[in-house]
Amino acid sequence: DQQVKQNSPSLSVQEGRISILNCDYTNSMFDYFLWYKKYPAEGPTFLISISSIKDKNEDGRFTVFLNKSAKHLSLHIVPSQPGDSAVYFCAASGTSYDKVIFGPGTSLSVIP
Amino acid sequence: GAGVSQSPRYKVAKRGQDVALRCDPISGHVSLFWYQQALGQGPEFLTYFQNEAQLDKSGLPSDRFFAERPEGSVSTLKIQRTQQEDSAVYLCASSLGGITYEQYFGPGTRLTVT
Repeated sequence: DQQVKQNSPSLSVQEGRISILNCDYTNSMFDYFLWYKKYPAEGPTFLISISSIKDKNEDGRFTVFLNKSAKHLSLHIVPSQPGDSAVYFCAASGTSYDKVIFGPGTSLSVIP
Repeated sequence: GAGVSQSPRYKVAKRGQDVALRCDPISGHVSLFWYQQALGQGPEFLTYFQNEAQLDKSGLPSDRFFAERPEGSVSTLKIQRTQQEDSAVYLCASSLGGITYEQYFGPGTRLTVT
């Protein structure tokens, strides 16, 4: 029973276009969401987060959208660059939790 | 400044052997987390320390897994009598505070049990 789901294992996008990575969660107690990026042989690095009191958070080329009623969030990367090619993990937590639950990841390939 | 470091980076153990994995968090980081990452999966929570106190060990898969952080800095994850299903990458992360603080991950230790 995965609490955080990323239903697309992989995604390919042309350089310069928009990448949209999706994430769904099942636990309504989650109120804090994060995206991490991981290159091979390295640990994940934090990318962007959003609290449930917001529906959008933007940081440069990265924007995260949260739809609480649908228990869905998405990460938009515009414009996509070849250096964005990595595995992206969606993660969730909450004020009543002391752990972060990660999804299985989506492998993004940005084609030059 | 130095990030989170883990050693060894790779470990091969024969089934039944005990292993110890070390994590050096970022200096001053109060919280330390251990995760297990199986191939093709996301990191799965194992345990969490705040300073030297182990506040949550609910993710440890069996009593063969034990973690400690005696002085509130370096942490060791010990696995006794390793089994093949223990083969995974073990990630350590540290943060300044609780869950809403950014976690900084180390590169991981890849454990292979033969």
